[in-house]
Amino acid sequence: GENVEQHPSTLSVQEGDSAVIKCTYSDSASNYFPWYKQELGKGPQLIIDIRSNVGEKKDQRIAVTLNKTAKHFSLHITETQPEDSAVYFCAASLGANNLFFGTGTRLTVIP
Amino acid sequence: DAGVIQSPRHEVTEMGQEVTLRCKPISGHNSLFWYRQTMMRGLELLIYFNNNVPIDDSGMPEDRFSAKMPNASFSTLKIQPSEPRDSAVYFCASSLELTGGSGANVLTFGAGSRLTVL
Repeated sequence: GENVEQHPSTLSVQEGDSAVIKCTYSDSASNYFPWYKQELGKGPQLIIDIRSNVGEKKDQRIAVTLNKTAKHFSLHITETQPEDSAVYFCAASLGANNLFFGTGTRLTVIP
Repeated sequence: DAGVIQSPRHEVTEMGQEVTLRCKPISGHNSLFWYRQTMMRGLELLIYFNNNVPIDDSGMPEDRFSAKMPNASFSTLKIQPSEPRDSAVYFCASSLELTGGSGANVLTFGAGSRLTVL
């Protein structure tokens, strides 16, 4: 099955700086790569996703890049704000109904 | 839509007791998932249903765990008997799977049920 690795496990940045979280996956057949944000006491919430036919996608301060050859994808958050503090999970999907999640990155934005 | 609704939000029980977690998916969604989240193992898929039928239960830890989906708007995850190692946050999620399987699976998660087994 798919194996998703995520780094770093914790990340602290100053408010206004950028944050980058990286993930690798093992199965070249994976074709869907979402990112979820989980705030304390809540369930994960989808923030952005990318499909294998696209190399980059951007939504305001959030962007995701995908390198299918190297089998890695990254989340970029620019101009970080305190409300960006949360745990972020990457995931990879082999098909329609089986997401494999990374182990999560706890992001802390220091005011 | 109120989103995916789970109950109870918190459950504390003693080892050996039966635990039942409940989930109401988003109306119109045809796939439902049960995940378990722990510090050690992260988010693990336990089972998923499509059109109320269990499709993949390979993630269910053992026979003590069972899940049902009697109709499109309700699912349960039952643990009997419960053990301390079952302590975790259990999430239910739902999605709309399009015919043909495009490979996209936008999951909407509930707020989770935090289970503590003493």
